[in-house]
Amino acid sequence: EPEVTQTPSHQVTQMGQEVILRCVPISNHLYFYWYRQILGQKVEFLVSFYNNEISEKSEIFDDQFSVERPDGSNFTLKIRSTKLEDSAMYFCASRLYNSPLHFGNGTRLTVT
Amino acid sequence: AQKVTQAQTEISVVEKEDVTLDCVYETRDTTYYLFWYKQPPSGELVFLIRRNSFDEQNEISGRYSWNFQKSTSSFNFTITASQVVDSAVYFCALSSYSGAGSYQLTFGKGTKLSVIP
Repeated sequence: EPEVTQTPSHQVTQMGQEVILRCVPISNHLYFYWYRQILGQKVEFLVSFYNNEISEKSEIFDDQFSVERPDGSNFTLKIRSTKLEDSAMYFCASRLYNSPLHFGNGTRLTVT
Repeated sequence: AQKVTQAQTEISVVEKEDVTLDCVYETRDTTYYLFWYKQPPSGELVFLIRRNSFDEQNEISGRYSWNFQKSTSSFNFTITASQVVDSAVYFCALSSYSGAGSYQLTFGKGTKLSVIP
């Protein structure tokens, strides 16, 4: 069964550094998402992306965050200047039309 | 605003017992979707079920069953004859019925289920 693939599985970065989290959604999917989960807490919506533009974003998704689909297969989340509170598990997800969301295995980001 | 409440933070059961995970939701939308996801210790989110608000029929899939009651805004999940592999955090989630739209999921805080051998 096709899967959403996220790399790396764990990223450690220093506060203030830029980080890029990578995702390869399921190939024929059209809608792409990033969610995050701070350790021990609930999963929170960050942003949705369709037709090469952001369709919706949450309050968490401020100017430090950006998303890109650079080459038709990858979908990236960039955090420009990481803060300690950005430490979390970041999940990429995709879907086709009205199908349920398929999540990747997540990238654990640790900001030190 | 949408809200999902999973009042049970942690539940422990002995293997082979049945267990019900509660989920209560709030939404002003007349059409919406409800979901359950499983998060095992390895951390991934595994889709279990989606129900739309038009369809209140209960669903059974193997040892799993779901009870959707619109009148009480609840979407409870029962595992029959629990097994150690069922140990995980289970999330209930809600989204608007947006068709081709953004599909933003609102998650509950999760219920951690521990099945003891």
